[in-house]
Amino acid sequence: DAGVIQSPRHEVTEMGQEVTLRCKPISGHDYLFWYRQTMMRGLELLIYFNNNVPIDDSGMPEDRFSAKMPNASFSTLKIQPSEPRDSAVYFCASSVAGGGDEQFFGPGTRLTVL
Amino acid sequence: QQQVKQSPQSLIVQKGGIPIINCAYENTAFDYFPWYQQFPGKGPALLIAIRPDVSEKKEGRFTISFNKSAKQFSLHIMDSQPGDSATYFCAASTRAGNNRKLIWGLGTSLAVNP
Repeated sequence: DAGVIQSPRHEVTEMGQEVTLRCKPISGHDYLFWYRQTMMRGLELLIYFNNNVPIDDSGMPEDRFSAKMPNASFSTLKIQPSEPRDSAVYFCASSVAGGGDEQFFGPGTRLTVL
Repeated sequence: QQQVKQSPQSLIVQKGGIPIINCAYENTAFDYFPWYQQFPGKGPALLIAIRPDVSEKKEGRFTISFNKSAKQFSLHIMDSQPGDSATYFCAASTRAGNNRKLIWGLGTSLAVNP
């Protein structure tokens, strides 16, 4: 298996622009997680899905952030409008129910908002 | 509020040394305690995990020690190597219902000098 796939790997945008991050989980995994990583705040869980349904979005910072999972093999995290404080590395991870709880992380998307 | 407190923030050891990273938690309902390892430019990857029914778990050179009464757990790396230089995260969760949310420590940056 190719593992969790994220795109783009790097994104540089200007304040106010819309940013869309994409994730393809490991086939057969039914949990999908979106994380944000910064030096100051470490790894923050933004939202996670089970069988394409959002279970916990309490970590989403504000209404500028939204996430969707239209099917089992694709999810997006959208920031609109983006702000410089959104600059971070965004990770997607997936896991399988009954698989021992291990979360498999993608390589991340490094977002820079100028 | 940080529910999992990790220390130290950074650690430098010589090759062959035994770095120890500590974590403390508050929620007695936690029943799963993983450690993840992250190399620069990569996503975190599960290293080793423990459940509270045992006090110690070893996998190769990595050992988790767990003290339920003190609500603490630690990672020991035996015979550390320069290739172990990475950031280490502890985490905790409770598997109530379909919850799969991990509560993360802030990470420890480990450098193993040759």
